[in-house]
Amino acid sequence: NAGVTQTPKFQVLKTGQSMTLQCAQDMNHNSMYWYRQDPGMGLRLIYYSASEGTTDKGEVPNGYNVSRLNKREFSLRLESAAPSQTSVYFCASRATSGIGEQYFGPGTRLTVT
Amino acid sequence: KNEVEQSPQNLTAQEGEFITINCSYSVGISALHWLQQHPGGGIVSLFMLSSGKKKHGRLIATINIQEKHSSLHITASHPRDSAVYICAVDAGNQFYFGTGTSLTVIP
Repeated sequence: NAGVTQTPKFQVLKTGQSMTLQCAQDMNHNSMYWYRQDPGMGLRLIYYSASEGTTDKGEVPNGYNVSRLNKREFSLRLESAAPSQTSVYFCASRATSGIGEQYFGPGTRLTVT
Repeated sequence: KNEVEQSPQNLTAQEGEFITINCSYSVGISALHWLQQHPGGGIVSLFMLSSGKKKHGRLIATINIQEKHSSLHITASHPRDSAVYICAVDAGNQFYFGTGTSLTVIP
């Protein structure tokens, strides 16, 4: 089992460019999450998907969109990148919303210049 | 507002020392998690607690639901324990995370 995979690992964007961060899990989990991690701040939830076909906003959703493509895949899109979106992005999954531990991907380090 | 507060933010210890990291939270939770993040960036789950105490090797985690407080203890600390330790509370659909405690263990 690969667990939770994310691509790319690193990305540099110019302001205004768009990109999609990909996340996939092979643990048959229902719930998936996107977080950002910034220095001096805890992980903050951007969007989550409690189950296939549903998505909900988290604490910091502005500037992002998500797609739960199927049970395995949950992508995060930046339509028009801004320097404030420079961060490390983590995808995570868990078996069911509200139950059990989360499994994290390796992270994507994004720099917007 | 910070739903989860951790202390200390930074901790330096000599190899062999007993270490305690504290976590307080202000929301209703179904469970509390302790996570470890190594310098390479990967995050792994150490413990999931809803009551009492759990032990795994040299690591011990405790929780007091009434006081909304948890502690992570490391006995006989080792340089390989150097990492950031993150407290996270499970509030159903969402997790709330502390800002982490950066631990450095010196040989």
